[in-house]
Amino acid sequence: EIMLTQSPATLSLSPGERATLSCRASQSVNTYLAWYQQKPGQAPRLIIHDAFNRATAIPARFSGSGSGTDFTLTISSLEPEDFAVYYCQQRLTWPLTFGGGTKVEFK
Amino acid sequence: EVQLLESGGGLAQPGGSLRLSCAASGFSVNTYAMTWVRQAPGKGLEWVSAIRSSGGGTEYADSVTGRFTISRDNVKNMLYLQMNSLRVDDTAVYYCAKDRIGSGHDTWTFDYWGQGSLVTVSS
Repeated sequence: EIMLTQSPATLSLSPGERATLSCRASQSVNTYLAWYQQKPGQAPRLIIHDAFNRATAIPARFSGSGSGTDFTLTISSLEPEDFAVYYCQQRLTWPLTFGGGTKVEFK
Repeated sequence: EVQLLESGGGLAQPGGSLRLSCAASGFSVNTYAMTWVRQAPGKGLEWVSAIRSSGGGTEYADSVTGRFTISRDNVKNMLYLQMNSLRVDDTAVYYCAKDRIGSGHDTWTFDYWGQGSLVTVSS
């Protein structure tokens, strides 16, 4: 099973600041990594697929990078609606696995 | 418009059974891979099971293998999760979700999710 470790667990920032979230895999997943956003009481929302491709209707302030074992989700300038929990997910092998999440909270 | 609507959750006793349903609209469940993902209260996301778009092959997390069964009804356009031998640690919100690309090109990345159905296992 591929383990995904996200850091930091919590990121305290203000609107307008840059957010940098990390996801590290226990073995290479090539670029088979996605990022999801989840707000309280809501279902997850796909943000990035295959490491760096923005999903439909996702604003350009979201970008993904990385390959192999180290990945980054960057939000260039936080909007109020971006404060949420973000999860990475690998699709290289079964079982599919998610990281533990990074909460982006208001500072 | 793509929509997914789960139902069938509720309270079950340890050792009991429940069947979750996921009603799909705006697309056909037999042309997309589909999955169930759960989230225990206050915890992160955990993948549970998936079914392929072509051939209907299935995959399960080790924690549910032998107890849960994923299936679909192409006529009713429904996805199901039959859960048997339920345990207290199966307590979670269960989401169904649709693969991003259909027609045999399964990506195991999910672009539409239902609102979730709460399953509580307790005596």
